[in-house]
Amino acid sequence: DAKTTQPPSMDCAEGRAANLPCNHSTISGNEYVYWYRQIHSQGPQYIIHGLKNNETNEMASLIITEDRKSSTLILPHATLRDTAVYYCIVRERSNDYKLSFGAGTTVTVRA
Amino acid sequence: KAGVTQTPRYLIKTRGQQVTLSCSPISGHRSVSWYQQTPGQGLQFLFEYFSETQRNKGNFPGRFSGRQFSNSRSEMNVSTLELGDSALYLCASSLARWTNTEAFFGQGTRLTVV
Repeated sequence: DAKTTQPPSMDCAEGRAANLPCNHSTISGNEYVYWYRQIHSQGPQYIIHGLKNNETNEMASLIITEDRKSSTLILPHATLRDTAVYYCIVRERSNDYKLSFGAGTTVTVRA
Repeated sequence: KAGVTQTPRYLIKTRGQQVTLSCSPISGHRSVSWYQQTPGQGLQFLFEYFSETQRNKGNFPGRFSGRQFSNSRSEMNVSTLELGDSALYLCASSLARWTNTEAFFGQGTRLTVV
């Protein structure tokens, strides 16, 4: 069901910004992009979501391209605790708004 | 406010037994979804309940069932347990069923079938 594409893994240095890309070329006009992360053996944690404008909260920033076919999650100052699997999800009307999780991106933050 | 609460956190059952897992959503949330997570299959959608009605169901056998009560609390049941049912079962709650609604997850119930 997942209609997003993410790189399987990426490394990031502690204290640096982590930029996580996601492609969602089939997204429809009124469907939102969501980001979740899952730290080992815990439930997924909501990070942020957006439609077409850039969004920022205390955890991260979400940059969505003008054509909405891709987005980037930015963790401004990565810490070791940000090591997790990050999921980019489109909550699609055709999928009855289910959160369909793909494989995600395994982000490893290194000291 | 309190988050999503799942009980129990850990469970060990024997093949052939049945099990019931519980999920208390965030206060005011009316949608509850269940997911199964295994190392091989990742996070897979089981079903969703909204206003005490099952609204959506994933590709799982009939041994997996659920229900939602008038206070939005939900239970899922697995009958005739198999070794392959060993997994982390996660519950997520949402205010409503729509594209612009965040879902919040509980910590899960770790089920081990022996």
